[in-house]
Amino acid sequence: DGGITQSPKYLFRKEGQNVTLSCEQNLNHDAMYWYRQDPGQGLRLIYYSQIVNDFQKGDIAEGYSVSREKKESFPLTVTSAQKNPTAFYLCASSIGTGTSYEQYFGPGTRLTVT
Amino acid sequence: KNQVEQSPQSLIILEGKNCTLQCNYTVSPFSNLRWYKQDTGRGPVSLTIMTFSENTKSNGRYTATLDADTKQSSLHITASQLSDSASYICVVRSPSGGYNKLIFGAGTRLAVHP
Repeated sequence: DGGITQSPKYLFRKEGQNVTLSCEQNLNHDAMYWYRQDPGQGLRLIYYSQIVNDFQKGDIAEGYSVSREKKESFPLTVTSAQKNPTAFYLCASSIGTGTSYEQYFGPGTRLTVT
Repeated sequence: KNQVEQSPQSLIILEGKNCTLQCNYTVSPFSNLRWYKQDTGRGPVSLTIMTFSENTKSNGRYTATLDADTKQSSLHITASQLSDSASYICVVRSPSGGYNKLIFGAGTRLAVHP
């Protein structure tokens, strides 16, 4: 998992509540990402940030929000507007360009909303 | 539409046997292709990267191939071990508007039985 921490590992929330997932990296990477993983599907990009104080929507940003106030931190808030929030959430950071470009993933947070 | 399809969805083999996982992609432009290993409840970890000009690359008991003409890749695992039980994800990188977009396959879930 190389220097990316996500907390908590498991998270349970009631429907209608907002919840924030933590992601911290000590790899000095500029870019960070949030993905959602559902059974039988590939990872889908929620938000990404290429630099501090800037972030962009990914493919499935509706119902989510992020902030990037520090290089090391990229928290994800799952709002009550997200219709189906139960999933495994993965944070990643990246380094390099060209053939050296690689994303490193954190251990993930499993969110269950009932 | 950019897509990465993997087969089979799941596979059971006996310890010590070999197996081959398949990945077909329709991604353009193409930059490179990575195979990741994801243990249950953990983040994916890169096994190998294939660029356009590479046909074969090995990493221990893992050998990846790439046919850029037919847009197919395979991951061959030799002399499987119980610890190889995991999901194997094929990921294609496509440079797009200054952002390194990754297109993920749904993965092949491999179970190695004693």
